Amino acid sequence: NAGVIQTPRHKVTGKGQEATLWCEPISGHSAVFWYRQTIVQGLEFLTYFRNQAPIDDSGMPKERFSAQMPNQSHSTLKIQSTQPQDSAVYLCASSFTTGGCEQYFGPGTRLTVL
Amino acid sequence: GDSVTQKQGQVTLSEDDFLFINCTYSTTTYPTLFWYVQYPGQGPQLLLKVTTANNKGISRGFEATYDKGTTSFHLQKASVQESDSAVYFCALAYTGGADRLTFGKGTQLIIQP
Repeated sequence: NAGVIQTPRHKVTGKGQEATLWCEPISGHSAVFWYRQTIVQGLEFLTYFRNQAPIDDSGMPKERFSAQMPNQSHSTLKIQSTQPQDSAVYLCASSFTTGGCEQYFGPGTRLTVL
Repeated sequence: GDSVTQKQGQVTLSEDDFLFINCTYSTTTYPTLFWYVQYPGQGPQLLLKVTTANNKGISRGFEATYDKGTTSFHLQKASVQESDSAVYFCALAYTGGADRLTFGKGTQLIIQP
């Protein structure tokens, strides 16, 4: 079991550029979550999919951030026109939707916006 | 809204000391509670899960206890080792099903050899 896979592990962008982050959930898990981690704000929920359908995006900044899950094996988080305040570690987690539903996290993508 | 308070930002202990980290929560429901541990360069790893049904969880020498009366839950370990050095997060979910997690700010545990 490979666990949750996130690529790239590190990404550096210039201010105003676009960044796309990828997540491959654990095989068989049908819920995918995105979180953001910074020193100041800690771990913050962004958005969540169940069976590929968006369920809750209440944590997503309304502009510039979007997430998709085109198939059960991957999800993407896209940030348009990146700003220095977007610099953070972006974490993806997956879980089952029945039973224990414990979330398992990937290693994260460290985004640095210059 | 729901919130989790983890006041201890850093705890420094020596090997074989007793560990106690406390979290309090505020929510209108009876949530499911979790402890995660994070090592440098890695994502959070699930350490323990506690529900209203069981009130207590045990894993890898760590024990978590849930007190609905005081809306608190704490993590303890009888004898810490240097390898336990990490950041520990408490978190809650509204329900036992697939649901977003609300995290505390984390406690950096430093174990002096």
